[in-house]
Parts: sequence; structure tokens; C-alpha cells
Amino acid sequence: DTGVSQDPRHKITKRGQNVTFRCDPISEHNRLYWYRQTLGQGPEFLTYFQNEAQLEKSRLLSDRFSAERPKGSFSTLEIQRTEQGDSAMYLCASSFPGGLAGELFFGEGSRLTVL
Amino acid sequence: QKEVEQNSGPLSVPEGAIASLNCTYSDRGSQSFFWYRQYSGKSPELIMFIYSNGDKEDGRFTAQLNKASQYVSLLIRDSQPSDSATYLCAVNDKLIFGTGTRLQVFP
Repeated sequence: DTGVSQDPRHKITKRGQNVTFRCDPISEHNRLYWYRQTLGQGPEFLTYFQNEAQLEKSRLLSDRFSAERPKGSFSTLEIQRTEQGDSAMYLCASSFPGGLAGELFFGEGSRLTVL
Repeated sequence: QKEVEQNSGPLSVPEGAIASLNCTYSDRGSQSFFWYRQYSGKSPELIMFIYSNGDKEDGRFTAQLNKASQYVSLLIRDSQPSDSATYLCAVNDKLIFGTGTRLQVFP
């Protein structure tokens, strides 16, 4: 197991289309996080799961965004009716039980470009 | 007011110098503080964390926390060109990040 895996790495879509990103965390990591990062900004928290339960969702996240982690392993982040403002790097991170809270292991990210 | 504020830089220092990176936060109840390093085109990685007022040293890195002033800093001693990256300050366990400070270490 080499780390957090995200797919696809790059996605170009037209405005109004739906996109879905997948994240496979490090094995046995029970917490999984989604962040969004735009150029020149720090990562912005979107949501996180502990096992299959979605424990928190940013109030900045519109209803067009939905995330799932159905079996407590991989997670998906779906964006419906994409807008140009959704263009960003979507980062997934995971952490292991009993580890340092706040020590997150990030994937390489999925870059979304909305035309 | 942003929750976590950093000067975006770039901060340019010569090789061998001390680089000082600063961060302020707005939530007085914050309990945990982290410094992540992000190389260009890469993902963030944790380099330091601090929970208590004072200094915490790890190799060439020292994190400093002053909760009364709501201020966190990171000192990098003997800076190397390989330290050139963006340094992200983050607060609390779910990580509220600042915008990051870009550090450039020139030979």
C-alpha cells in the first residue's frame, strides 16, 4: 500500500456536466477527508468521514456536491451541474485511528477544469 | 477576517539563514496547530505540530505558539534550497488552512 490514491488525476468537463472523483485511503485509515485547493490558496475543508459516517460537511459546500463512503473504505465526491468556479484541485486525505489528530496523509489530488 | 492568516510571500532567504514564517488565527478556542509543507505540484505533508504555548523543536524546525496573541510561527534554521516550498499553517484537527507562505531559499 503506497498511499492515498485518487482517480482520475485530471478531468476536463463542460459546464453543466456531472463529475465524480474517487479516493482510496491508506488501508486501515478510518478517517477520510476531502479538500479543495485553488491556485495560491490553502486547501479548503469540504467534508470528512469516520468509517462510513459523514461527520461534518462544510457550510460552504453547495447542494451540488455530495460525498459518500459506503463501506468505510473508498470514497466518492460527486459534483453535479458543474460551474466554472468548481475548477480546482480536489484533495483527499486519510488518517489512522489512534494517530495524531491533524496528521493527514494526502493523495496527489484530482484536478478539475470546467470549460 | 479569515480564520487563519498568513503572508503569501514570497519570503526569500539566503542558504544557511533562518527563515521565519508567521500565522495568526481567529478562533481563540483553537487547541491544535500544524505546519504542512507543500512543494510545487505536490500535496501537503505534515512537518510540525504544536499544542502548548512555547517552543517545540524538531531538527532544523522550531514551532512557536502564543495562544494569548493567537499567533503561531515556524522557524527553519540553516535554510537549504530544498526547503523552497509553500508552508501552510493549519488549525484544529480537521485542518483549517491559511493561504500558505511561499519560501524561496537561494544559494
